[in-house]
Amino acid sequence: DAGVTQSPTHLIKTRGQQVTLRCSPKSGHDTVSWYQQALGQGPQFIFQYYEEEERQRGNFPDRFSGHQFPNYSSELNVNALLLGDSALYLCASSYWSLTGEQFFGPGTRLTVL
Amino acid sequence: DQQVKQNSPSLSVQEGRISILNCDYTNSMFDYFLWYKKYPAEGPTFLISISSIKDKNEDGRFTVFLNKSAKHLSLHIVPSQPGDSAVYFCAASRGFGNEKLTFGTGTRLTIIP
Repeated sequence: DAGVTQSPTHLIKTRGQQVTLRCSPKSGHDTVSWYQQALGQGPQFIFQYYEEEERQRGNFPDRFSGHQFPNYSSELNVNALLLGDSALYLCASSYWSLTGEQFFGPGTRLTVL
Repeated sequence: DQQVKQNSPSLSVQEGRISILNCDYTNSMFDYFLWYKKYPAEGPTFLISISSIKDKNEDGRFTVFLNKSAKHLSLHIVPSQPGDSAVYFCAASRGFGNEKLTFGTGTRLTIIP
């Protein structure tokens, strides 16, 4: 049973570019949440997708957008990259209709130069 | 505004002794609390949780205590083992299930053999 997978593992971009990160949830999970973890900080909630719709959003600008596909996988897109977007981006999956913890993937390390 | 705080960035404990990790929160609307453990190059792994209707939850070597009046929770690990060396994050949410998680900044626990 595969857990949460994310791709790519590492990514280097320059300021102003756009990036797409991908996430496949744990088998059977239908909800995907994205978090940003800056160096020395805890993960910060970006947004959550269920039934291909954004259900909750944290305090992030519109440059951050996402998508969920019918197979429950998800993408995180960041436009007009800033140096401050350099971080570990974590994807977490869960069941929408059940209580319980969110399962995290290993993350994508994004470096913006 | 840091709603979940872990004031100790690091903690060193002798193997076999008790490890106590602390967490404070400011948002009275939080009613579900979780501890996650994170190894380098891996995503956070769920450890234990507690709802606000309880003041203690135990799972093997791990016990979480919640003091609602003080808005404080702690994680006790007894006995501490070398494999417990990791970064521990406290997280909180409003409600169970898929509510967004608000994380603290983490405490790096080192178990000394």
